[in-house]
Amino acid sequence: DAKTTQPPSMDCAEGRAANLPCNHSTISGNEYVYWYRQIHSQGPQYIIHGLKNNETNEMASLIITEDRKSSTLILPHATLRDTAVYYCIVRVHTGANSKLTFGKGITLSVRP
Amino acid sequence: DTGVSQNPRHKITKRGQNVTFRCDPISEHNRLYWYRQTLGQGPEFLTYFQNEAQLEKSRLLSDRFSAERPKGSFSTLEIQRTEQGDSAMYLCASSPRGIGQGMGNKNIQYFGAGTRLSVL
Repeated sequence: DAKTTQPPSMDCAEGRAANLPCNHSTISGNEYVYWYRQIHSQGPQYIIHGLKNNETNEMASLIITEDRKSSTLILPHATLRDTAVYYCIVRVHTGANSKLTFGKGITLSVRP
Repeated sequence: DTGVSQNPRHKITKRGQNVTFRCDPISEHNRLYWYRQTLGQGPEFLTYFQNEAQLEKSRLLSDRFSAERPKGSFSTLEIQRTEQGDSAMYLCASSPRGIGQGMGNKNIQYFGAGTRLSVL
C-alpha cells in the first residue's frame, strides 16, 4: 500500500471548517483514499473514502486532486467532539486481505 | 447490531503470565482483523481471518502470540509468557464480505473499543 504523509497536528475554532491535508504521491491507480479517525480511548472510526471523484457524506467531504497525489478531508462545521487523531490511508479497495496500514495521523484539536 | 465487542477492556498482568482477549465481531461479518497500538502510534496490523481461516499474520506476531476464530464467529488472541513490551492496546475489527469492485463495495472495517494490556 502507498505511504501517506500528514502534518502532525492542527487546530481550528469550533464551528469553522477543518481542512486536513494528506499527501500520497506514490498512490497506484487501483488504490483508494480512506479516512478514519480515533477519538481518545476509542477504536478507529471510518469517515469516508474515494478513488478520484470528490465525495461527501454526513460526516465529511473528501477532495482528491486531479493527479490523485494529495487529498483534503473537510469537516464543514467542526465541533469539540471532532477532536481526534485523523488517519489518511491508501489501499487497494478489494481483495482477499484489505488490512489497513496506519501512519501516525494528524491530531486535530478543536478549540471553543 | 451492537458493533464489535472486545473483552476485557483492561487487563493488568505480571510478566511471564498468559493472557487471552476475546473479540465478538458484528454478526455476519466474515472478515476479522487484530491490530496492536502503542502510545503515540497508529494501529499496526497483526493478523486477519476470513471466516475461520487465518489468512495472514504479521511479522509482529511472534511465536508467543496465537489467534483463533473457531466456527468463524468470535475470535481470541492469546499472548503467552507476556513481556513488558507487549503492553499496548489490542484492537479488533470486522468487515463484511465485499461485493463488486466499485465504490458501492465499501469494504469498511468496524473497530471495537480495544483491550488495553499492561504488563508489570
